[in-house]
Amino acid sequence: SAVISQKPSRDICQRGTSLTIQCQVDSQVTMMFWYRQQPGQSLTLIATANQGSEATYESGFVIDKFPISRPNLTFSTLTVSNMSPEDSSIYLCSVASRDFNEKLFFGSGTQLSVL
Amino acid sequence: AQSVAQPEDQVNVAEGNPLTVKCTYSVSGNPYLFWYVQYPNRGLQFLLKYITGDNLVKGSYGFEAEFNKSQTSFHLKKPSALVSDSALYFCAVRDIQAGTALIFGKGTTLSVSS
Repeated sequence: SAVISQKPSRDICQRGTSLTIQCQVDSQVTMMFWYRQQPGQSLTLIATANQGSEATYESGFVIDKFPISRPNLTFSTLTVSNMSPEDSSIYLCSVASRDFNEKLFFGSGTQLSVL
Repeated sequence: AQSVAQPEDQVNVAEGNPLTVKCTYSVSGNPYLFWYVQYPNRGLQFLLKYITGDNLVKGSYGFEAEFNKSQTSFHLKKPSALVSDSALYFCAVRDIQAGTALIFGKGTTLSVSS
């Protein structure tokens, strides 16, 4: 299994600012994903973080708003830019690897509140 | 495009009774199917998965799920519910041909009363 450390666990931010969320895995993984879980709703895939290249974004999510980095096989960051109250959500890092027999592991999440 | 439907927002059962949480899916190819559970203020935990083989899959905490290809369903079941099973349950699907990211259903809140 994978141990995922996600930081910060929670934050309260002002409108118009940006927050970078870090995801560190204790082993090399093939795939890393970022999800958003808005209050009372399901998980929505934001993007797939690709090692050494630009992330692949899902419909409705753009790089200018959610820039993602993945410099190596164990680390990724998600930035929520120019935040508004609508960005208040839980952001989850997730990893998958053939070594993990196809299931995804999730970090504990970052609970973001934008005032 | 792949999708998952959980038709019930909430399921209420009495402790000791059997429970079923429903899930149907839509994919263009062969599916990988998963159930995850989320307890309050905690991350998602993997329960079980179906990739291939026996249609009845057994997972953590006494849960099981049955893959039904003709009905495109993957209902979660447990013979005897516990109060501690009360949580939010997510069904998820991955289209093997389309990629490896999971698409989640909206979630079903299971409430088990004593």
